[in-house]
Amino acid sequence: EIVMTQSPVTLSVSPGERVTLSCGASQSVSSNLAWYQQKPGQVPRFLIYGASTRATGIPARFIGSGSGTEFTLTISSLQSEDFAIYYCQQYDSWPLTFGGGTTVEI
Amino acid sequence: ELQLVESGGGLVQPGGSLRLSCAASGFTFSSFAMSWVRQAPGEGLEWVASIRSPGDKTYYADSVKGRFTLSRDNSKNTLTLQMNSLGADDTATYYCAKANTGYYVDHWGLGTVVTVSS
Repeated sequence: EIVMTQSPVTLSVSPGERVTLSCGASQSVSSNLAWYQQKPGQVPRFLIYGASTRATGIPARFIGSGSGTEFTLTISSLQSEDFAIYYCQQYDSWPLTFGGGTTVEI
Repeated sequence: ELQLVESGGGLVQPGGSLRLSCAASGFTFSSFAMSWVRQAPGEGLEWVASIRSPGDKTYYADSVKGRFTLSRDNSKNTLTLQMNSLGADDTATYYCAKANTGYYVDHWGLGTVVTVSS
């Protein structure tokens, strides 16, 4: 099983700041990496696939990068609506696995 | 508009069974793989199971293998998760999820809550 590790667990930031979230895989997943956003009490929202391709309707401030075992989600200028938990998920091999999440808070 | 509507959740005793259903609409159901993802209270996301678009192959997390069975009816646009031998660790919100080419989730249902307790 590929273990996905996200860091930091919690990130305290202010609106307008640039934010960088990390996701590491215990073995290479190529570019088979997706990101999701989840706000309290809400359903997860699909953000990025293929490590760097934004889903339809996702703002350009969300930037995914990386390949192999190291991945990054950058929010170029944090908006108030971006405070949430962010999860990465590898879909390179079975079983599919999610990271534990990074909480972006004020 | 694409919709995934789960049903079948509820309170069940340890060792009991539940059947979750997901009614899909707004897309060509038979063309896409489908998954279930769960989230225990206050916890992160956990993949449960996936099924290929024709329904000919299924994949399961080790935590549910042998207890859960995933199936689909492409004529009725319905996904079904039969859950047996339920334990407290299965308590979670279960999300029906439309998978894309690589089995990442591009659309989520609203979820159905399963509580395993005596």
